[in-house]
Amino acid sequence: QVRLVQSGAEVVKPGSSLKVSCKTSGGTFSSDAIGWVRQAPGQGLEWMGGIIPIFETANYAQQFQGRVTITADESTSTLYMELSSLKSDDTAVYYCARGSTSWYFDFWGQGTLVAVSS
Amino acid sequence: DIQMTQSPSTLSASVGDRVTITCRASENINSWLAWYQQKPGKAPKLLISEASSLESGVPSTFSGSGSGTEFTLTISSLQPDDFATYYCQQYSRFPYNFGQGTKLQIK
Repeated sequence: QVRLVQSGAEVVKPGSSLKVSCKTSGGTFSSDAIGWVRQAPGQGLEWMGGIIPIFETANYAQQFQGRVTITADESTSTLYMELSSLKSDDTAVYYCARGSTSWYFDFWGQGTLVAVSS
Repeated sequence: DIQMTQSPSTLSASVGDRVTITCRASENINSWLAWYQQKPGKAPKLLISEASSLESGVPSTFSGSGSGTEFTLTISSLQPDDFATYYCQQYSRFPYNFGQGTKLQIK
């Protein structure tokens, strides 16, 4: 069974960075597509970017370009999403999700709540 | 970027009703469309991929149709567990945007 387990909730200060981890199991790590999606309180789903580890290069939605970095560590089957220059409207639940054959997501992590507050 | 627009934003219905949610893409995405269900405090759940392919374990009361730019999700007979928010997502071309969501609530 595929599982994605994310790191725990964080409270971070404006202007700082955060790094969320997503440990996967049960899938094919190197060839699965892993996307990052966020959801602000009471809002919809926002696609941030994604990576297929075997290709190493991540793609990012334009609104996050320059602020987000997605990486993969094949030795631990873990993905990371780092977001910098945080603002209050980055407060959201951040999800990682897997696509086995394409960029739709059949398995999701439990979500990581990030609160940006001074 | 391809924009995804869902309608309605909110839908009130009763158990046993048949309901339809529409998703429109700003350009042709062929059949590269997925539907998700999300309940409060939970991660989204994949219902349908490739516009009409039902995921294993999803009740047959759910169905999807459409191609090109217009798509629908139909629930043929609403059950109490179906009251949730539904999202479409295109995966034809990066970035793989979602619709804004349709909240299905009890009338």
